[in-house]
This record gives sequence, structure tokens and C-alpha cells, in this order.
Amino acid sequence: SAVISQKPSRDICQRGTSLTIQCQVDSQVTMMFWYRQQPGQSLTLIATANQGSEATYESGFVIDKFPISRPNLTFSTLTVSNMSPEDSSIYLCSVQGAYTGELFFGEGSRLTVL
Amino acid sequence: AQSVTQLDSQVPVFEEAPVELRCNYSSSVSVYLFWYVQYPNQGLQLLLKYLSGSTLVKGINGFEAEFNKSQTSFHLRKPSVHISDTAEYFCAVSPHPMDTGRRALTFGSGTRLQVQP
Repeated sequence: SAVISQKPSRDICQRGTSLTIQCQVDSQVTMMFWYRQQPGQSLTLIATANQGSEATYESGFVIDKFPISRPNLTFSTLTVSNMSPEDSSIYLCSVQGAYTGELFFGEGSRLTVL
Repeated sequence: AQSVTQLDSQVPVFEEAPVELRCNYSSSVSVYLFWYVQYPNQGLQLLLKYLSGSTLVKGINGFEAEFNKSQTSFHLRKPSVHISDTAEYFCAVSPHPMDTGRRALTFGSGTRLQVQP
């Protein structure tokens, strides 16, 4: 298993500002995944972050809006840029088990945009 | 691509009654299947997983699920629920890693289990 820490756990932000979410894992992992969970909804994959290469974004998500950094094998950041109320969501960082495919999740970062 | 359908958005049930949460998936390749639980204001916790082998898998908290390839289903069951089982339950699928380089999970829309006294 993996222990994942996310910061901040929650934040309230103003429209038009940006927020960077940090994700720290207690072991080295090749791929890290960023998901969004809008209020009352399921999880939607934003992007896959590989160390040493550009993140791969899913349809509907773009790098200008959600820039991702992956400086090493235990850390990643997701920035939500130029926020609007529609960005109010829980953002979750996850990593995959080496042999079993399951995802381990952090507690999430609950973002409210006013 | 894979997709997951959870047929029930909410399932109310009385304490100590049995429950089944339904999940169907679609995929053109072999898959791994998972059930996760999300308690209020918490992250996701893995309940159980199917990778291969026996189609009946047992998980934590007394839950079990059965993989049915012909019906492309992976329904979650518990013979007797408790108040503490009240939570959101998500079914998820990933392609078998040997079939494709893509490894992220695709989640269903979730089922809210509401256990009543």
C-alpha cells in the first residue's frame, strides 16, 4: 500500500485566482493520477503525471487550466488556474499498486471558489 | 475504452437486512474490477478487487462481490448491513495492464447506501 498526503485539505478561494495542490507519496511511484470529484458526482480523471515527461490530459482538461508538475518519483502538484465557481470540487491524488492495479488515494483537497 | 454503469443512485435498506449494489461494465479488453467506499468527508478506501481466478471475491467489512464475465457485471453484496455502512460506493474498472499501457481507473457514478435503523 501507499500513504498519500495532500495539501491543502481544504481552501476557499476567490474567482480568478489560482491554487496549487501538493501530493506527497511515501514511496517511489512511476505514475500519479489526478482526479476531480464535483459535488455529488463520481470521480473524473484529469491527467496522468509521469516523472520526467509531460502530463497526459484527458478530454476536456487542458494544461493551461490544470498545469501539473512531477519533479521526482514521490511528489506532484496540480494547479487550478483562473478559478471560477464551477471549479469547486474535491481534487484527489492517487497512485497505483505495483502489481494489482488498485489505486490508493489521498484524503483529497476540497476547493470552494466564491 | 472502458465504461462503468451503476444502476442505482441510492439504495435505502434497514439495518441487518441484506443488500446488493449493482455494477455493469463495458470493455473490449480484459479488465480488473474494483469497489471503493467513500465515507462522508473522507477519501476513497478499497473494499475489494477482482484481478483473476475465483469469481467470488471477499473484501473488508463483510462485503463480497461476484464477477460475471458473460453478463459483464460485478455486483457488491453484504448479507447484513450496519448503520456504519452508510456511505457512497463506487465501482471501477481498469484495463488489464498487459493489454494496454493505460492504467488509470474509470469510475461509475456511485451508489449512495443509506442504512436505516
